[in-house]
Amino acid sequence: QKEVEQDPGPLSVPEGAIVSLNCTYSNSAFQYFMWYRQYSRKGPELLMYTYSSGNKEDGRFTAQVDKSSKYISLFIRDSQPSDSATYLCAMSGTGGTSYGKLTFGQGTILTVHP
Amino acid sequence: EAGVTQFPSHSVIEKGQTVTLRCDPISGHDNLYWYRRVMGKEIKFLLHFVKESKQDESGMPNNRFLAERTGGTYSTLKVQPAELEDSGVYFCASSQRTGTGNEKLFFGSGTQLSVL
Repeated sequence: QKEVEQDPGPLSVPEGAIVSLNCTYSNSAFQYFMWYRQYSRKGPELLMYTYSSGNKEDGRFTAQVDKSSKYISLFIRDSQPSDSATYLCAMSGTGGTSYGKLTFGQGTILTVHP
Repeated sequence: EAGVTQFPSHSVIEKGQTVTLRCDPISGHDNLYWYRRVMGKEIKFLLHFVKESKQDESGMPNNRFLAERTGGTYSTLKVQPAELEDSGVYFCASSQRTGTGNEKLFFGSGTQLSVL
């Protein structure tokens, strides 16, 4: 069983739609939760970062973490064609030098069509 | 500010050959990470440098992989001899040392390695 499960999609939505992306995980040691966006032939780019449970909002993006259910979500409001990319969830534990040792989901391919 | 730079962007080699990938982190970033994504799988951690020291190499697949970071600046990842299963995209990432969980990793665009 993978430590992080993410539906690879692909997901196709019309412009303006609300997009919901999700990951589940099994390792209760994870404390830091991230969403990365990756465009074709580029490296992952950090979108959202959350520590422990709770919500975080940044513009059209909202990240939610429910540690009791081991479930994280990313919502994109008023989606735009420029949001078309692969979205990766990632997690890490605590302490010392392990913050950058990320465990990734497989990534969800999102296409927003005009 | 220049981002994380990786060379080459693509490499095609034959099984049994040697390949060296290079990563130039963002200036001033002590942390340097190597990750790899093989076809159909998730991105996986390979190893972590703090300056020139290897802090964690638990993700290195086997002893055909050798990573170095002489002088604590750029890093190389050598695969010798390369096998078919080594094909994939190799990412490098760097970050500042914060001592907290609020560590933002900046990724390079990756090196696409194809072993034939």
